[in-house]
Amino acid sequence: EAGVAQSPRYKIIEKRQSVAFWCNPISGHATLYWYQQILGQGPKLLIQFQNNGVVDDSQLPKDRFSAERLKGVDSTLKIQPAKLEDSAVYLCASSLTLLTFYEQYFGPGTRLTVT
Amino acid sequence: AQSVTQPDIHITVSEGASLELRCNYSYGATPYLFWYVQSPGQGLQLLLKYFSGDTLVQGIKGFEAEFKRSQSSFNLRKPSVHWSDAAEYFCAVGAQGNEKLTFGTGTRLTIIP
Repeated sequence: EAGVAQSPRYKIIEKRQSVAFWCNPISGHATLYWYQQILGQGPKLLIQFQNNGVVDDSQLPKDRFSAERLKGVDSTLKIQPAKLEDSAVYLCASSLTLLTFYEQYFGPGTRLTVT
Repeated sequence: AQSVTQPDIHITVSEGASLELRCNYSYGATPYLFWYVQSPGQGLQLLLKYFSGDTLVQGIKGFEAEFKRSQSSFNLRKPSVHWSDAAEYFCAVGAQGNEKLTFGTGTRLTIIP
């Protein structure tokens, strides 16, 4: 079966610009996660969707970050405007259901550099 | 709130030697514990997980981990490392009723010939 797909793989932008990342989870997976992984740190959960509804976005900086999963399949994470400290790898993961959160499958990530 | 501490930022091991990576967790109830591996440019791959029962769990690639409640630890071990084991290793904690993973800061493993 196909894994979690993410694009782009790399992105370089200047501060104050906007950027968007795309994620296509494993087919049939209802739960989708976006993580931010800053260099030298572990992944930090930004937002968690169950189908097209938000389960947890407590660590999402909502003044600049937004995410959507309109049809309950693909998801987009946007940053506007970007800051230098947003430089990180953005990981998308999916699981069959919320209750099977322990079986998350991760995509390869998008490496964002903000200059 | 749940948290994970990985005290070793970087470990260097000779190929063929044994390995132990440390992980300490903080969680009020019975945690679910995980070890993930991340190779350069790759996503995270689950090595093993512990929910309950036997405190010694076996994973993929010859790894195992032992849950010690008295020490709040879940250390990862491998009896003989291979050069391909060089990667970043992350310990994570979660629980039913709190369906999300909290990761540690990771331990980078370097293998020398």
